[in-house]
Amino acid sequence: GNSVTQMEGPVTLSEEAFLTINCTYTATGYPSLFWYVQYPGEGLQLLLKATKADDKGSNKGFEATYRKETTSFHLEKGSVQVSDSAVYFCASPLDSWGKLQFGAGTQVVVTP
Amino acid sequence: KAGVTQTPRYLIKTRGQQVTLSCSPISGHRSVSWYQQTPGQGLQFLFEYFSETQRNKGNFPGRFSGRQFSNSRSEMNVSTLELGDSALYLCASSRGQGTSYEQYFGPGTRLTVT
Repeated sequence: GNSVTQMEGPVTLSEEAFLTINCTYTATGYPSLFWYVQYPGEGLQLLLKATKADDKGSNKGFEATYRKETTSFHLEKGSVQVSDSAVYFCASPLDSWGKLQFGAGTQVVVTP
Repeated sequence: KAGVTQTPRYLIKTRGQQVTLSCSPISGHRSVSWYQQTPGQGLQFLFEYFSETQRNKGNFPGRFSGRQFSNSRSEMNVSTLELGDSALYLCASSRGQGTSYEQYFGPGTRLTVT
């Protein structure tokens, strides 16, 4: 079945630094890919998505490109803020019904 | 448009008791999924309901059950609580079933079993 693997955290950065969180997937075909973010004490928020190969998702300064050659969907932001401190999850549907498989999550800590 | 709401936000129960959690999806959304989040296991899929029918189920014991009402609101029930059931339970709704539909999550119910 489909699965996603993302880099472990925590990732600690200074404000305005460049952020990359790696996510790779294994799948039959080309499933949709998602990035979710979870702020402390809250549920998950959909950050961005890509539904087919070579798609680029973007939102709030974050970007991720669906690369079938490397089976990757890395999340990037050019200049992080303290408010970006959160846990980020890569996800992909496990089956055709849309049941989501999540990566382990990567905690990002941004310091002033 | 209001987001997904979950009640209660926090619960403390004793081993052996049972608990019912409630989820109200975004208006117009017909699919509701439940996930369990723990530090050790991460996010794990519990089950999914669409049009009042359970369409998908994760690998959890029968103590975990759920249902969906005609207004798409959903409840999940855990009977004979164990310490390991302590977790954040997240509900997600989507307009339909299938991989093209985005899932929107509620804030979760934090269950603590003592």
